[in-house]
Amino acid sequence: DVKVTQSSRYLVKRTGEKVFLECVQDMDHENMFWYRQDPGLGLRLIYFSYDVKMKEKGDIPEGYSVSREKKERFSLILESASTNQTSMYLCASSTKAGSDTGELFFGEGSRLTVL
Amino acid sequence: AQKITQTQPGMFVQEKEAVTLDCTYDTSDPSYGLFWYKQPSSGEMIFLIYQGSYDQQNATEGRYSLNFQKARKSANLVISASQLGDSAMYFCAMRPYGNNRLAFGKGNQVVVIP
Repeated sequence: DVKVTQSSRYLVKRTGEKVFLECVQDMDHENMFWYRQDPGLGLRLIYFSYDVKMKEKGDIPEGYSVSREKKERFSLILESASTNQTSMYLCASSTKAGSDTGELFFGEGSRLTVL
Repeated sequence: AQKITQTQPGMFVQEKEAVTLDCTYDTSDPSYGLFWYKQPSSGEMIFLIYQGSYDQQNATEGRYSLNFQKARKSANLVISASQLGDSAMYFCAMRPYGNNRLAFGKGNQVVVIP
């Protein structure tokens, strides 16, 4: 069964802490994405990566960075967590655009609370 | 940039009835794909159905069908014979062909009542 796995379902961190959210996919997908989901706002794209070591900013990249050292792994980093980063974070992967429908496969989500 | 609009308030649906979820989109791209996802309370996003902008037929997947009206830029999801397990948030999304990014609407909440 193909999977996108996020390292933590629930995290509680303090303001100013550095936070790592890890995501691994086993489908050999080129693209990986980090979304943030907040009530009433839907899913907003933070960053995505279309290849190893390649990344592009999404719609709300401020306060976040990413790392993709291996094809299967995409990490989201909060250098100094703030309370307004309390949210649900969703990782997803897909094949490259044009190869098929390009649907996203999602992980189960990581609910981060920053105190 | 693409804009996806889902404006319906939360909906209560009687079990076994059909429900239609509205989605309109705005894009200048001539070719694109439209997607619907389901998110139950457990949080995972489940892909339901896909419609290509050049597809001649409306997409169907089991109890899900997509009412695609290209001129109106609408892609409504129809769920037939609702089941209790259909209670969830439903998201409409769009991606231009050749573009890696998928843009999402804000979602519709559906509650199926027995």
